[in-house]
Amino acid sequence: SQQGEEDPQALSIQEGENATMNCSYKTSINNLQWYRQNSGRGLVHLILIRSNEREKHSGRLRVTLDTSKKSSSLLITASRAADTASYFCAFQGAQKLVFGQGTRLTINP
Amino acid sequence: DAGITQSPRHKVTETGTPVTLRCHQTENHRYMYWYRQDPGHGLRLIHYSYGVKDTDKGEVSDGYSVSRSKTEDFLLTLESATSSQTSVYFCAISHQGGGYQETQYFGPGTRLLVL
Repeated sequence: SQQGEEDPQALSIQEGENATMNCSYKTSINNLQWYRQNSGRGLVHLILIRSNEREKHSGRLRVTLDTSKKSSSLLITASRAADTASYFCAFQGAQKLVFGQGTRLTINP
Repeated sequence: DAGITQSPRHKVTETGTPVTLRCHQTENHRYMYWYRQDPGHGLRLIHYSYGVKDTDKGEVSDGYSVSRSKTEDFLLTLESATSSQTSVYFCAISHQGGGYQETQYFGPGTRLLVL
């Protein structure tokens, strides 16, 4: 399968803690993206990192990309209850976006 | 949801019946996609379109057909629904495609149950 693999599949932390999710892929890529999905809703784009970039920030989000290891991580700092959602990585090579299976993040108040 | 609507939002049908799902966008984006989302499989691409009357198959296209007669509408048809097609279906759009910066914007989804 071309799908990316995400780790962990589920993560539960206390509000205010940091959350880290990892994504691995197998092909060469042009970019890697992260999306969030709230329960019962469509996916929402969070951040895109190009293959020639190593780190990118957006608000409380920090994404890293290691093309030599074919892996990426998403860090959410100072988590909030509203961050409870599923998070998906999606990598893009020569073809269409390929999505990972997602990490289900639960933030406990 | 970025000017994307899907209809119906929920549907229950019987095995063997035809089903058509509609995706409508107001963004005038060139690219449109249909995905299905199932537990343990994430999102999988069914078909996509790169312009009016221009479509191509995705990873899981068997049993599905699509049509795009206008920029704003992308239809997904299950010719003869089967229980394995019970899923949540998402439409997405993007301004660019072809392997470049292809940020996608998703509709709210259609829950389909095939009995």
